[in-house]
Amino acid sequence: DAGVTQSPTHLIKTRGQQVTLRCSPKSGHDTVSWYQQALGQGPQFIFQYYEEEERQRGNFPDRFSGHQFPNYSSELNVNALLLGDSALYLCASSRDLYNEQFFGPGTRLTVL
Amino acid sequence: GIQVEQSPPDLILQEGANSTLRCNFSDSVNNLQWFHQNPWGQLINLFYIPSGTKQNGRLSATTVATERYSLLYISSSQTTDSGVYFCAPPGGGSQGNLIFGKGTKLSVKP
Repeated sequence: DAGVTQSPTHLIKTRGQQVTLRCSPKSGHDTVSWYQQALGQGPQFIFQYYEEEERQRGNFPDRFSGHQFPNYSSELNVNALLLGDSALYLCASSRDLYNEQFFGPGTRLTVL
Repeated sequence: GIQVEQSPPDLILQEGANSTLRCNFSDSVNNLQWFHQNPWGQLINLFYIPSGTKQNGRLSATTVATERYSLLYISSSQTTDSGVYFCAPPGGGSQGNLIFGKGTKLSVKP
């Protein structure tokens, strides 16, 4: 049983560019949540997708957007990258909106 | 929203020692997760514990929801236990997101 997978592992972009990160949930999970983790901090919630809709959103600007596909996989898009967007981006999946969450290995984004 | 405080922020142990990590939260919760983040950034599920006590090998956790805290016990620590430990309750109400504290950074020396 594969766990949560994310791609790519690492990514280097320059300010102003756009980036897309991908996540595949655990088998049997239908909910995907995205978190941003800055160095030395705990993860911060970005948004959560269920039934292909954004169900909840954290305190992040509209530059951060997402999508969930019919197979429950998800994408996180960030436009107009800023230096401060450099972080580890974590995807988590769960059986529904409120159940135990399992995390992928993360995508480490560096913005130069 | 709910606030999470973890203590201590840093902990250094000799291999074989025991430790207790504490997680305080500002509001009642209906579940709580404990994670271990390894040096490569992977968050590993340790416990999903709304209340009571659970044990898994050398680790155990206790949540006292009415008093708004949870404890993680690590016995006979090993160098592989090093990393950052996070507790994370949900945001509350109809919110499914997890709220993370700043974590406890554990270093186990051989």
